[in-house]
Amino acid sequence: GENVEQHPSTLSVQEGDSAVIKCTYSDSASNYFPWYKQELGKRPQLIIDIRSNVGEKKDQRIAVTLNKTAKHFSLHITETQPEDSAVYFCAASGNTPLVFGKGTRLSVIA
Amino acid sequence: GAGVSQSPRYKVAKRGQDVALRCDPISGHVSLFWYQQALGQGPEFLTYFQNEAQLDKSGLPSDRFFAERPEGSVSTLKIQRTQQEDSAVYLCASSLALDGEQYFGPGTRLTVT
Repeated sequence: GENVEQHPSTLSVQEGDSAVIKCTYSDSASNYFPWYKQELGKRPQLIIDIRSNVGEKKDQRIAVTLNKTAKHFSLHITETQPEDSAVYFCAASGNTPLVFGKGTRLSVIA
Repeated sequence: GAGVSQSPRYKVAKRGQDVALRCDPISGHVSLFWYQQALGQGPEFLTYFQNEAQLDKSGLPSDRFFAERPEGSVSTLKIQRTQQEDSAVYLCASSLALDGEQYFGPGTRLTVT
């Protein structure tokens, strides 16, 4: 089955800097890659997703890149703000239930 | 419209008790998923419904776990003879399709003492 690895597990950045979180997956049949943000005690919320027919997708300060050959995808957050502090999860699926990474705790220091 | 709702939000059970966790998906969402999230971990898949059909239950950790969605809308996750290792947040999500955007509920935090 699918296996998703996520790095780093924790990340601290200064406000205004960029943050990058990377994930790898094992199943070459996977074709849907969402990213979720989860604040403490809250539900996961989708922030961006990408499908395998594109290599990059942007939404304001957030972008995701996908390299299907290498089986990895990354989340990029630019101009980070304190409210970006949360746990971020990547996930992968190929017409199968989502498999999540273990999460990255992002701290944005003002 | 309303998002995914779950009840109860918190549940404390003594070891050996049975519990039932409810999920109300977004109206019209045919796909419904249950996940277990341990502290500091990502959600782990338990089971998946398309309408009333349970298409995948490969993630259920033991035969003490049972899920149903009899009318293709509300779903219940039942855990029999709860054990301490069952303590976790149980998340429900719904979507228009298996590979569609999943909307999560707030979760039920289960503590087994």
